Amino acid sequence: AQSVTQLDSQVPVFEEAPVELRCNYSSSVSVYLFWYVQYPNQGLQLLLKYLSGSTLVKGINGFEAEFNKSQTSFHLRKPSVHISDTAEYFCAVRNSLGNEKLTFGTGTRLTIIP
Amino acid sequence: DTEVTQTPKHLVMGMTNKKSLKCEQHMGHRAMYWYKQKAKKPPELMFVYSYEKLSINESVPSRFSPECPNSSLLNLHLHALQPEDSALYLCASSPAGAFTDTQYFGPGTRLTVL
Repeated sequence: AQSVTQLDSQVPVFEEAPVELRCNYSSSVSVYLFWYVQYPNQGLQLLLKYLSGSTLVKGINGFEAEFNKSQTSFHLRKPSVHISDTAEYFCAVRNSLGNEKLTFGTGTRLTIIP
Repeated sequence: DTEVTQTPKHLVMGMTNKKSLKCEQHMGHRAMYWYKQKAKKPPELMFVYSYEKLSINESVPSRFSPECPNSSLLNLHLHALQPEDSALYLCASSPAGAFTDTQYFGPGTRLTVL
């Protein structure tokens, strides 16, 4: 079985400050990892994903994430946030065998303070 | 065309009504999914169609009835819903069989049951 934990339910950050949203996972097999963003009253948009290869993954809107197998983490970072980054961020995992559903974390609400 | 579309955007229905949600993609994806998302929660998987066959039903009540008329279309028929069924209903698609690829989400239909 697989699971994913987002420890921070809410993260307030001042505009132009850096941010890190934390994600830890658990799985008995190798995994693929995803970050999705959900803007208010909208669906989910893929920010970035890790399937294999380089552990530093760059996504849209200036976000990046680093896969750390030893710490079973996939934290999302942005060096300088904007008001438009206010949204809910979901980390998701599925195993590389493709025989289990995509498992979402409980989400982190990022609020940018002007 | 690289998006998943859903109609309607909003739907209000009474408990005795029959209505349908529609999802469409023209990316040639062969797996399509229905998710339910309550406020401030992650999406919950309801159904998966893989190559136009229902492959997964996550113990969803029979008042929700999915249909996949062809590889581009996915419907969710609603009948005799309860107020607790009010939620955002998200459709997603992925290129190959269920869970083997990245899922791309539509904007969702916000359903209110009175």
